[in-house]
Amino acid sequence: AQSVTQLGSHVSVSEGALVLLRCNYSSSVPPYLFWYVQYPNQGLQLLLKYTSAATLVKGINGFEAEFKKSETSFHLTKPSAHMSDAAEYFCAVSSPSGGYQKVTFGIGTKLQVIP
Amino acid sequence: ETGVTQSPTHLIKTRGQQVTLRCSSQSGHNTVSWYQQALGQGPQFIFQYYREEENGRGNFPPRFSGLQFPNYSSELNVNALELDDSALYLCASSSGQDRNTGELFFGEGSRLTVL
Repeated sequence: AQSVTQLGSHVSVSEGALVLLRCNYSSSVPPYLFWYVQYPNQGLQLLLKYTSAATLVKGINGFEAEFKKSETSFHLTKPSAHMSDAAEYFCAVSSPSGGYQKVTFGIGTKLQVIP
Repeated sequence: ETGVTQSPTHLIKTRGQQVTLRCSSQSGHNTVSWYQQALGQGPQFIFQYYREEENGRGNFPPRFSGLQFPNYSSELNVNALELDDSALYLCASSSGQDRNTGELFFGEGSRLTVL
């Protein structure tokens, strides 16, 4: 069984400060990993993905994440927070399961950006 | 390129009723997945349809059922509604290549309230 743990359901940062959202996963096979962002009353939008190429992945809006197999982690970072980054962020793990790619999401981290 | 569209956006039902939610997949996508997102939670996988057949299912009872049509659009049906079925229902589509990684393209969801 696979799982995702997102440490910190709420994270607050000052505008211009570093954003660090933590994600640890569990998977019995090499996984694919994703970060999605959800703005209020909207669906999820892909920020970035790890699909077994480079371990440091760059995404949209200045976000990046590093896959660390030894730590089973895929933390999301952004050097300088912007007010528009306030949203909920979901980490997801994907691996084969009986003929389809099973995708499991974490519970999400709500990011607040303080002016 | 048209994205994933869902209807209705909001609806209110009473306990015991039945509901049908609809989804049009993104152009060129042949796989549709449905997720339930309860308040304050991450999306939970309900099932996936590929080539008009269910090819993966999460831990949801049989009163949750679906269909996929030849144009790859899809329906989610829920019978005998319960209060706990109140949630945002998200449809996500993927292409043949995306099916191999689990990358999902989400619609904006249908917010169901059960009274």
